Amino acid sequence: GAGVSQSPSNKVTEKGKDVELRCDPISGHTALYWYRQSLGQGLEFLIYFQGNSAPDKSGLPSDRFSAERTGGSVSTLTIQRTQQEDSAVYLCASSFIRGGLETQYFGPGTRLLVL
Amino acid sequence: AQSVTQPDIHITVSEGASLELRCNYSYGATPYLFWYVQSPGQGLQLLLKYFSGDTLVQGIKGFEAEFKRSQSSFNLRKPSVHWSDAAEYFCAVTLSSGSARQLTFGSGTQLTVLP
Repeated sequence: GAGVSQSPSNKVTEKGKDVELRCDPISGHTALYWYRQSLGQGLEFLIYFQGNSAPDKSGLPSDRFSAERTGGSVSTLTIQRTQQEDSAVYLCASSFIRGGLETQYFGPGTRLLVL
Repeated sequence: AQSVTQPDIHITVSEGASLELRCNYSYGATPYLFWYVQSPGQGLQLLLKYFSGDTLVQGIKGFEAEFKRSQSSFNLRKPSVHWSDAAEYFCAVTLSSGSARQLTFGSGTQLTVLP
């Protein structure tokens, strides 16, 4: 079946602009994650959604970052007033938790460049 | 705090040679362990995972990994490397209990394969 999809695949924006990144998880997966991959910091967790529970936002680096998940499916990560240090690859992953066991499957990522 | 260490930033092997990529973790509880591979411009692809049971796990593309609790290690191996294995490899860990389900990644090992 279809994997995790993300759009856009690439985004170039100017400092101070807002951007929205989209993630379509695998159908039936109840959990959704956002990670950021940057040269200096490696792969970092940002936020986690599980079903209808309140999201775990503990990884968001600042209040300029927010995310929502509509209808338990598609998620949007929003970065307001972008800064050059926000330049990174933003990866989305989804998973299905069964018996406490979980495997995350990743999308291709969105490459964000802030000029 | 939990951490994952991949001590080798870059490894170069000849095609047909054997490969071992190292991964060590520091966790207070029993972890779940994963290896992912990332080709240039791509997302993360799951190679294999360990939850419990047999400590030697088989994955895709001829890879295997062995969980050694006494050494806190989960090293990835392949008996004969192919040129198409050139990529970056990430070891990742998550807790087997509790609400924190996000993956913690190592810094990655870049694999170069010589003809």
